[in-house]
Amino acid sequence: QVQLVESGGGVVQPGRSLRLSCAASGFTFSSYGMHWVRQAPGKGLEWVAVISYDGSDKYYADSVKGRFTISRDNSKNSLYLQVHSLRAEDTAVYYCAKDGAHSGSYLDYWGQGTLVTVSS
Amino acid sequence: DIVMTQSPDSLAVSLGERATINCKSSQSVLYSSNNKNYLAWYQQKPGQPPKLLIYWASTRESGVPDRFSGSGSGTDFTLTISSLQAEDVAVYYCQQYYGTSFTFGPGTKVDIK
Repeated sequence: QVQLVESGGGVVQPGRSLRLSCAASGFTFSSYGMHWVRQAPGKGLEWVAVISYDGSDKYYADSVKGRFTISRDNSKNSLYLQVHSLRAEDTAVYYCAKDGAHSGSYLDYWGQGTLVTVSS
Repeated sequence: DIVMTQSPDSLAVSLGERATINCKSSQSVLYSSNNKNYLAWYQQKPGQPPKLLIYWASTRESGVPDRFSGSGSGTDFTLTISSLQAEDVAVYYCQQYYGTSFTFGPGTKVDIK
């Protein structure tokens, strides 16, 4: 069965950087686009970024453009989100999610999420 | 970017009764070349990640009970729970995946009356 396991969250000071990871299993990782979606405490879902199945296309929400970088390693069945210049408003649970197609589709499987808390 | 709105913000429905949630996009999410609406619905229960219910506006995901149905086209969409069950208490989100941005609606909380 499809499994997505995020890691790398924690408490980080404003302005610092962090790298989130997502380990995928149970499907052919290299055939599907992947997303990051975040959810601030008590708030709704905010789409963050998407990467195509082969890593050739990447798109970001305006709120993170220039600060966040999505990447993937198909040899390791892993997805990453490098986050820089963290702000208090980046505090959220970060979910990785599998795209229903090569890229740009609905999100059919989600991980349990990893919490990032930005605080001094 | 396409902005998604939902109504109502919350609703309370008696067990066995119908629940209807509306979702509106700021521009059409109907792709004319394939006549598909790039619209999905998700259910999120407390402490859990979201779960895909409906995609292409009206296609039910495998394993989703048939009391859940999606309808609409263009800019106006509806999620209907035909007979509310206790396990349906959750927040429901619509999401568009037209183009290169994937915006979610603000969510609608469904409770038991």
